Amino acid sequence: GENVEQHPSTLSVQEGDSAVIKCTYSDSASNYFPWYKQELGKRPQLIIDIRSNVGEKKDQRIAVTLNKTAKHFSLHITETQPEDSAVYFCAANSPGTYKYIFGTGTRLKVLA
Amino acid sequence: EAGVAQSPRYKIIEKRQSVAFWCNPISGHATLYWYQQILGQGPKLLIQFQNNGVVDDSQLPKDRFSAERLKGVDSTLKIQPAKLEDSAVYLCASSGSDTQYFGPGTRLTVL
Repeated sequence: GENVEQHPSTLSVQEGDSAVIKCTYSDSASNYFPWYKQELGKRPQLIIDIRSNVGEKKDQRIAVTLNKTAKHFSLHITETQPEDSAVYFCAANSPGTYKYIFGTGTRLKVLA
Repeated sequence: EAGVAQSPRYKIIEKRQSVAFWCNPISGHATLYWYQQILGQGPKLLIQFQNNGVVDDSQLPKDRFSAERLKGVDSTLKIQPAKLEDSAVYLCASSGSDTQYFGPGTRLTVL
């Protein structure tokens, strides 16, 4: 079946450093890729998304890049802060169904 | 814009008991999803509705789980009878297009 692989599963960075989380998808028809942040005990919150007609999208300290040929996309967080500590999930859509395939999550710890 | 609402937020039951969760999606969103999230894992889709019809329930354990969305708005998810392994957070999400928005979830503990 279709799947999304996400790496790394855990990531620790010093405050102020950058963090990069990578995902690879299998369905070449996927055309929408959201990223969710989930703090402990809270709901997943959409932080950024990208469509297949765009190679990169940026929102302040967060950016996402997409390589359709290689079927992978990455989340980049610059100037990390302690409040960035959370679990991050990537997802790829299953076109025509509004269904997502989620990655397995990355636990990011930003050390003060 | 109001978000996805869920209740209750927490529920503790004994195994073999029944439990029901309620979800009110964002107004106008035709698609509604129920996910199960076990601690330390990503959300697992249980069932997807488009208006009041089921689009995908391939991962719903139908011998004990049921869900309905009678008028194409609110939805309920029921577990009967509950097992220990059903302990998880049950997330409801809705979408009007590609983007899914999640509710706060119901944390179920089965003792």
